[in-house]
Amino acid sequence: GAVVSQHPSWVICKSGTSVKIECRSLDFQATTMFWYRQFPKQSLMLMATSNEGSKATYEQGVEKDKFLINHASLTLSTLTVTSAHPEDSSFYICSAPNPTGAGELFFGEGSRLTVL
Amino acid sequence: AQSVSQHNHHVILSEAASLELGCNYSYGGTVNLFWYVQYPGQHLQLLLKYFSGDPLVKGIKGFEAEFIKSKFSFNLRKPSVQWSDTAEYFCAVNAHINTNAGKSTFGDGTTLTVKP
Repeated sequence: GAVVSQHPSWVICKSGTSVKIECRSLDFQATTMFWYRQFPKQSLMLMATSNEGSKATYEQGVEKDKFLINHASLTLSTLTVTSAHPEDSSFYICSAPNPTGAGELFFGEGSRLTVL
Repeated sequence: AQSVSQHNHHVILSEAASLELGCNYSYGGTVNLFWYVQYPGQHLQLLLKYFSGDPLVKGIKGFEAEFIKSKFSFNLRKPSVQWSDTAEYFCAVNAHINTNAGKSTFGDGTTLTVKP
């Protein structure tokens, strides 16, 4: 099946710094990708929809200046957590829709961010 | 708005036991329904999905789920679990009119532990 890869798998940073997480579709093109945040023992919460060649669409309550999303190519979307704070520590997951239009999502392996 | 409820947060079974994980959703219109599974250290992946037709759908590894519209449910079942089924299971729903699969709403997940 189609593969989505995230990098890095885990990252530790100091408060106030910015962190970039990459999401790549390895064997298919994705005009749309999605970014989620997951807290322990909780659901995946959609943060934003990343659109190739245009601005990302953010869900209500998600700070677009805090979580910068760039979809620079048909295989790469990046999430940059700017001026990170400890409360931004979380598990971030990206996904892309099945390119055949079958309706399901292909997920990356997730990125664990810890802000000290 | 749609919501998804998974009643069991952690289920522990012995091998060969039968499994049923509950999933209820709230949405007034037609829905697409999904079960995703995340094995330890792996990506979330699709287990099965329901869009229309036969409400009993079969997925990979012997899993099946039944859509009961009157109960707003999409419970996951497997007659005889194996140790390798140990994983986290997520139910997800999105509105049928919403072709953007990323807009799926996820349940909180159920951790299944199968004892050998």
